[in-house]
Amino acid sequence: DSGVTQTPKHLITATGQRVTLRCSPRSGDLSVYWYQQSLDQGLQFLIHYYNGEERAKGNILERFSAQQFPDLHSELNLSSLELGDSALYFCASRAGLADTEAFFGQGTRLTVV
Amino acid sequence: GENVEQHPSTLSVQEGDSAVIKCTYSDSASNYFPWYKQELGKRPQLIIDIRSNVGEKKDQRIAVTLNKTAKHFSLHITETQPEDSAVYFCAAPTGTASKLTFGTGTRLQVTL
Repeated sequence: DSGVTQTPKHLITATGQRVTLRCSPRSGDLSVYWYQQSLDQGLQFLIHYYNGEERAKGNILERFSAQQFPDLHSELNLSSLELGDSALYFCASRAGLADTEAFFGQGTRLTVV
Repeated sequence: GENVEQHPSTLSVQEGDSAVIKCTYSDSASNYFPWYKQELGKRPQLIIDIRSNVGEKKDQRIAVTLNKTAKHFSLHITETQPEDSAVYFCAAPTGTASKLTFGTGTRLQVTL
């Protein structure tokens, strides 16, 4: 158990819908990262939050947004879903900004039908 | 630049042989280089990391080497076992250093 909790584990939804994925970081970790992993693909960086502020963005679609709340949990919102959004979405947390281990949650598997 | 390139994409070795996976990075400011192992359907887990002030680090059958001048680092697994079969990802901080960019992954298959 990494200490990073993601909910839900699985999500099946229809095209055009909107979903929210939730991540609770390890206790005390200020950084939360979101990654998208499509089938047999690598880990595509989406966005990074540190202590409530957005710090870096990857190739995140405009239909996707995220935020980190005062209690440090984070939510990734995906709207106007398309079939191609089906993927495993991971969040990872780390204590700070730089050279420390990033711990991954078990992921949310999103299936868009 | 913010690229992390990883080779090979697939690697098949016989049990007991060694496996080497290589990564190159473009951001000269990068100073932390982790390696993650991801088994099928599971989350990536850190197996070893190295910081820029050292050139090599070992942990039992796993070692990582770093060449900052050439901007590349490598994962070495010796005496491979079937349970080493997985996808391995290298990573490096890029851009503002708050991004952690991953390589494209290497699928390692250890055969009996």
